[in-house]
Amino acid sequence: GAVVSQHPSRVICKSGTSVKIECRSLDFQATTMFWYRQFPKQSLMLMATSNEGSKATYEQGVEKDKFLINHASLTLSTLTVTSAHPEDSSFYICSASPLSGGDTYEQYFGPGTRLTVT
Amino acid sequence: GQNIDQPTEMTATEGAIVQINCTYQTSGFNGLFWYQQHAGEAPTFLSYNVLDGLEEKGRFSSFLSRSKGYSYLLLKELQMKDSASYLCAVRDSNYQLIWGAGTKLIIKP
Repeated sequence: GAVVSQHPSRVICKSGTSVKIECRSLDFQATTMFWYRQFPKQSLMLMATSNEGSKATYEQGVEKDKFLINHASLTLSTLTVTSAHPEDSSFYICSASPLSGGDTYEQYFGPGTRLTVT
Repeated sequence: GQNIDQPTEMTATEGAIVQINCTYQTSGFNGLFWYQQHAGEAPTFLSYNVLDGLEEKGRFSSFLSRSKGYSYLLLKELQMKDSASYLCAVRDSNYQLIWGAGTKLIIKP
């Protein structure tokens, strides 16, 4: 149980285009989903926390107009990288928690999406 | 500020035991997690400690001392597939996960 999927697993796009990444909780309802970015040989960096039906909370330094997050249902959150540039190339990972707020026990991670911007 | 420290890299021999340490300074404490991450893959959950002491789960054990801000992950009977990065993460008073940079574990035959 507690499977999280991400799509696509890899994407290559041209500079200036937008890319949408989907994160789905397959066998549980996720009231909270998290989006991370990880550069090579570095730790996970939390980008934003999204709760179903409300606006995402972005971490300091993350541009909310560039990284659009939508959490329209209890099983789906999307991250759209708008006007992507080569420096946005990274490994994007989502995670989901089956309980909301402070009762989060653990986060279940998706397999990640490797974004390459040329 | 909040900080998680763990060694950058460790090397061990197949069949041996290795201990990966993690020290933390965070705003509050609501649990400590260990995750395993193979190269190019997302992290997978290994263990969770919220009370002092040792939690054992098969070949993996995790220890916590809240007064010392210290945890370790103990891996026994090492196998080649255990070569991965091991991430320590602490949940702070806001229930945010603060992540360490990870320890890359290299297993040699």
